Amino acid sequence: KAGVTQTPRYLIKTRGQQVTLSCSPISGHRSVSWYQQTPGQGLQFLFEYFSETQRNKGNFPGRFSGRQFSNSRSEMNVSTLELGDSALYLCASSQGLSTYEQYFGPGTRLTVT
Amino acid sequence: KNEVEQSPQNLTAQEGEFITINCSYSVGISALHWLQQHPGGGIVSLFMLSSGKKKHGRLIATINIQEKHSSLHITASHPRDSAVYICAAYSGGGADGLTFGKGTHLIIQP
Repeated sequence: KAGVTQTPRYLIKTRGQQVTLSCSPISGHRSVSWYQQTPGQGLQFLFEYFSETQRNKGNFPGRFSGRQFSNSRSEMNVSTLELGDSALYLCASSQGLSTYEQYFGPGTRLTVT
Repeated sequence: KNEVEQSPQNLTAQEGEFITINCSYSVGISALHWLQQHPGGGIVSLFMLSSGKKKHGRLIATINIQEKHSSLHITASHPRDSAVYICAAYSGGGADGLTFGKGTHLIIQP
């Protein structure tokens, strides 16, 4: 089976712009979760989708949003980018919610200048 | 909100040593994950536990639900085990999703 893929792998944006990141889960997986990793805060949970429904949302401002499509692919969007949004954004897929093994993608490295 | 603490933050050991990494959490959980992250960012899931003990090769993970504590052990450590090990707790539902520890940076010297 192909693993979790994320596109793009690297991205440079300017403050105030918006960005959309994409995640394709392992075939058959219905759950996709998104995480932000920074040197200062470590890994933080953004949101979790299952069968196109957002099941959980972390403590991030409304500028961070996401969605899941009927084929389980997911996108996350960050509007009005701030310098502090520079991070590695990881998605993970699983067969169910977070009581199942998580399979992580390689991440998208976002730099905001 | 669950608080997840890991210790030690950094660990340097010699090849062959027995390694233990600890993880404590503050509220009851549905699942505890152990993850491995190599330089470059890739994360691999090692274990998902809700009770007892699991073993995979030289890696062993245990969890004590009553004490809210989990340990990851590496037997006969090898330089290729050098990585950051992260535990993550899932309380089940609500706004938390997975709550992560800060990670343990492990270096195994030959």
